[in-house]
Amino acid sequence: NAGVMQNPRHLVRRRGQEARLRCSPMKGHSHVYWYRQLPEEGLKFMVYLQKENIIDESGMPKERFSAEFPKEGPSILRIQQVVRGDSAAYFCASSHPGSEKLFFGSGTQLSVL
Amino acid sequence: GQNIDQPTEMTATEGAIVQINCTYQTSGFNGLFWYQQHAGEAPTFLSYNVLDGLEEKGRFSSFLSRSKGYSYLLLKELQMKDSASYLCAVRDAAGNKLTFGGGTRVLVKP
Repeated sequence: NAGVMQNPRHLVRRRGQEARLRCSPMKGHSHVYWYRQLPEEGLKFMVYLQKENIIDESGMPKERFSAEFPKEGPSILRIQQVVRGDSAAYFCASSHPGSEKLFFGSGTQLSVL
Repeated sequence: GQNIDQPTEMTATEGAIVQINCTYQTSGFNGLFWYQQHAGEAPTFLSYNVLDGLEEKGRFSSFLSRSKGYSYLLLKELQMKDSASYLCAVRDAAGNKLTFGGGTRVLVKP
């Protein structure tokens, strides 16, 4: 059973470009969470999604950031017009309904030049 | 909201015991988690406490006191591979998301 898959592992973008980060949850998991982590810091919650629904986006910046989890395919975290401050590791986690445990992917390291 | 505090860094000797404390103030509580994260890798689940008391799992144990808003993670018989960050996280009352503390970096020395 494959774990949570994130790609790309590393993403380099220039200021003003768009970044698209993909996350495929574990098989059977319908809940997806996105977290951001700056160096030497903890994980900051961004958004919680279920299939075709955003449940909690209280951690998402109001502009430039969006997330989706379509009926088919991976969850996408999209950052438009990236700035240097967006450079961070972005982790996706998934869980099974009714389970307390979150399983994390290996993350996408975004670097904005 | 949630406020979770844990020490930034701890150092211990191989074979010894280390206790990582975590205190939290939350508007709702539905469980406390500990995760281990090696540099550049995904956090991995260590333990989950929702009731008061001690949960033991091999060399790792986790304790929770809900009335005090306090938990600790106890690592026994430390090994070099235990050098990592340990993240304390609280789940909100709705059971939707985990809020993480800043993490405690543990360095195990020979």
